[in-house]
Amino acid sequence: GDSVTQMEGPVTLSEEAFLTINCTYTATGYPSLFWYVQYPGEGLQLLLKATKADDKGSNKGFEATYRKETTSFHLEKGSVQVSDSAVYFCALSDRTKGNTPLVFGKGTRLSVIA
Amino acid sequence: EPEVTQTPSHQVTQMGQEVILRCVPISNHLYFYWYRQILGQKVEFLVSFYNNEISEKSEIFDDQFSVERPDGSNFTLKIRSTKLEDSAMYFCASSGEGMGSPLHFGNGTRLTVT
Repeated sequence: GDSVTQMEGPVTLSEEAFLTINCTYTATGYPSLFWYVQYPGEGLQLLLKATKADDKGSNKGFEATYRKETTSFHLEKGSVQVSDSAVYFCALSDRTKGNTPLVFGKGTRLSVIA
Repeated sequence: EPEVTQTPSHQVTQMGQEVILRCVPISNHLYFYWYRQILGQKVEFLVSFYNNEISEKSEIFDDQFSVERPDGSNFTLKIRSTKLEDSAMYFCASSGEGMGSPLHFGNGTRLTVT
């Protein structure tokens, strides 16, 4: 079945450091790809998405590019802030099969220190 | 911005008791979901609901679980006889129709079974 693999955390960075969280996927169809973020004590919020190959999703300084050739959707940010501390989830949904549910990765906890 | 609301935020119950977790999805959304996240583990799909019936469910969603949309606004998850291993954060989500429509999540209900 479809699956998502993302790098294990936790990731600890200093403020203004560059962030990369790797995500690769396996899907039999042609999925849409998502990054969700979970701030402490809150639910999951959509951070960005991409629905086709070479699309770049971006939001709040984060970006990720849908790479079909490497089946990847790595999350990047050029300069992280303390307020970016959260758990980040990569997810996919294969909408070519109808409105299928999201499949999530295990999540990567990011801690940014001042 | 419209949001998904869940109540209660925290529910403590004894093993064997029934619990009902409540959700109010975004009003013009058509697809509804329940996910759960056991502490420290990945977010797992339980069930999706469309047009007043279950459209998909996972292996986790066995006979002790049920969902209902009793009126035009609420979407509930019932666990008939709770077990210790049901302790988790339960997230409700909703989405509109169309390819790549993102899921909007509530803040979750933390269920603790003692």
